[in-house]
Amino acid sequence: GAVVSQHPSWVICKSGTSVKIECRSLDFQATTMFWYRQFPKQSLMLMATSNEGSKATYEQGVEKDKFLINHASLTLSTLTVTSAHPEDSSFYICSAGGGRDSHRVETQYFGPGTRLLVL
Amino acid sequence: AQSVTQPDIHITVSEGASLELRCNYSYGATPYLFWYVQSPGQGLQLLLKYFSGDTLVQGIKGFEAEFKRSQSSFNLRKPSVHWSDAAEYFCAVGAHTDKLIFGTGTRLQVFP
Repeated sequence: GAVVSQHPSWVICKSGTSVKIECRSLDFQATTMFWYRQFPKQSLMLMATSNEGSKATYEQGVEKDKFLINHASLTLSTLTVTSAHPEDSSFYICSAGGGRDSHRVETQYFGPGTRLLVL
Repeated sequence: AQSVTQPDIHITVSEGASLELRCNYSYGATPYLFWYVQSPGQGLQLLLKYFSGDTLVQGIKGFEAEFKRSQSSFNLRKPSVHWSDAAEYFCAVGAHTDKLIFGTGTRLQVFP
């Protein structure tokens, strides 16, 4: 099946710094990638939809300037948490849509997640 | 409003026992339904999905789920649970071009 990787798998940073998380589709081209956030013992909340070559679409309540998303190629999307604060500590998971119908939910493949801890 | 409800936050079963995890949804259009499993600190693995056709869907690892439109349910079942099945299980609903909406999850604990 399709493989999606995330890097780093975990990161610890100081408050006020920026952190970049990469999401890569390893064996397929993903025109659409999704970024989710998961708090401990809670469900996944969609943060934004990232489309290759265009601006990301953010969900209501998600700060665009806080969570910068770039989808520069068909295999890579990045999420940058700018000026991170302790409340940004969370588990961030990406998913990638593969093939021509990448916008269809049934083709989403999930990455292993990145755990962010802001001190 | 679109939503997914997993009524059971935590379920404990003995190894070898049968399992049923409940999922109810509210969705305006004909939904696509999914069950995902998440091991601690890991991403999500798709167990099975329903789009149309036979309402009893077979998935990986011996899991199956049944779509019941009249009850707006998509319950996950396994006849005999293994210790390795201990994990968090998420039900999700979506439709063509729509985002996935996840339930709050059910944590499964398996005793030997």
